[in-house]
Amino acid sequence: GQQVQQSPASLVLQEGENAELQCSFSISTNQVQWFYQRPGGRLIGLSYIPGMKPTGKQTSSTVTKGRHSSLTISSSQTTDSGTYFCVLRGNYGNEKITFGAGTKLTIKP
Amino acid sequence: EAAVTQSPRSKVAVTGGKVTLSCHQTNNHDYMYWYRQDTGHGLRLIHYSYVADSTEKGDIPDGYKASRPSQENFSLILELASLSQTAVYFCASSEWGQGGPYEQYFGPGTRLTVL
Repeated sequence: GQQVQQSPASLVLQEGENAELQCSFSISTNQVQWFYQRPGGRLIGLSYIPGMKPTGKQTSSTVTKGRHSSLTISSSQTTDSGTYFCVLRGNYGNEKITFGAGTKLTIKP
Repeated sequence: EAAVTQSPRSKVAVTGGKVTLSCHQTNNHDYMYWYRQDTGHGLRLIHYSYVADSTEKGDIPDGYKASRPSQENFSLILELASLSQTAVYFCASSEWGQGGPYEQYFGPGTRLTVL
């Protein structure tokens, strides 16, 4: 089945630094979604279809090409700390959805 | 803003007991999903539905049933709860467009502990 690998598993940065999270897939796709989750909290969608306006942080951006996707959080803040998941979505007629294991991001003041 | 609510928010159940988790969405979305999340891991799809009165199996359906009595409501049923089903359960809804599924909107989660 389709697989999703995220890296790094954890990342610690100082406030103000840019965070870059990576995701790789077993298939070539553009059906990728990124989510943000605070510990024990709701998942918040960050972006989805290329060209659509991100619904979460406006300082995050994603690039998806081939079997790879990356999420960049610019000028990180302590409130960006949490776990970030990338999700591989099926195309129409294939509703299979696969989550990565997540990247735990810690932003220190 | 899209809204997905879940009830209960937390539950303690006994092994072998029946558990029903409920999800309600006011987004007018066709698709609804149930996921489980285990500590330190991503989400795994249990069941989903794209129309009322119909459900589909996800990646880990064993031990779970689902029910979609209306477009707004989607339930997850554990007929015989087991220790391994202790997890946080998330419900989500989404629309489906020509380019694929649109963004999923998640509920706050239900923390289930089976003793």
